[in-house]
Amino acid sequence: RKEVEQDPGPFNVPEGATVAFNCTYSNSASQSFFWYRQDCRKEPKLLMSVYSSGNEDGRFTAQLNRASQYISLLIRDSKLSDSATYLCVVNPLLTGGGNKLTFGTGTQLKVEL
Amino acid sequence: DAGVIQSPRHEVTEMGQEVTLRCKPISGHNSLFWYRQTMMRGLELLIYFNNNVPIDDSGMPEDRFSAKMPNASFSTLKIQPSEPRDSAVYFCASSDLGGGKNIQYFGAGTRLSVL
Repeated sequence: RKEVEQDPGPFNVPEGATVAFNCTYSNSASQSFFWYRQDCRKEPKLLMSVYSSGNEDGRFTAQLNRASQYISLLIRDSKLSDSATYLCVVNPLLTGGGNKLTFGTGTQLKVEL
Repeated sequence: DAGVIQSPRHEVTEMGQEVTLRCKPISGHNSLFWYRQTMMRGLELLIYFNNNVPIDDSGMPEDRFSAKMPNASFSTLKIQPSEPRDSAVYFCASSDLGGGKNIQYFGAGTRLSVL
């Protein structure tokens, strides 16, 4: 089983739609969780951290379910500029040089007119 | 802040040649990571350093790959000899180990083509 699993997509949605991505992780000891965004031929950039209580940043909402070991990202009122690949990222360890991150292979989103 | 700086941005070389990729982390960051990204395998961690010391090099594919971090502001990833299967985008990232949030910031990457 992969450490971090995502549906690769692509998710093709019309502008204004709401879209949700899920991600599962295998290491129950994982401590930190993030969503990164990667545009075509660009570097990954942090979109948002994911907290146990859930967190929202404008049109974006991230949720963490520790019991089921999954993370979700909800995008409301999607824009053309949201088209990108969304990477689910997990920090598997807390101590002992454990700032290594494990990246999922990404979910591709295409927002269309 | 200039962010993580990588050079060169593009490298085209012939099989068997030595390739050296360079990275300057964000000033004040004490962790540095080298990744490789391909369509088939996604983003793979090759090696990372904390305070200039290599911590985990289990992702380095084989002895042809080596990485150094002689000081806090510079790191290199060397491939010798290079092979066509090494063609990929190589990213360097840095983070603040003591920052608590463990957020990594990526450079723009080096797109390597080995012919």
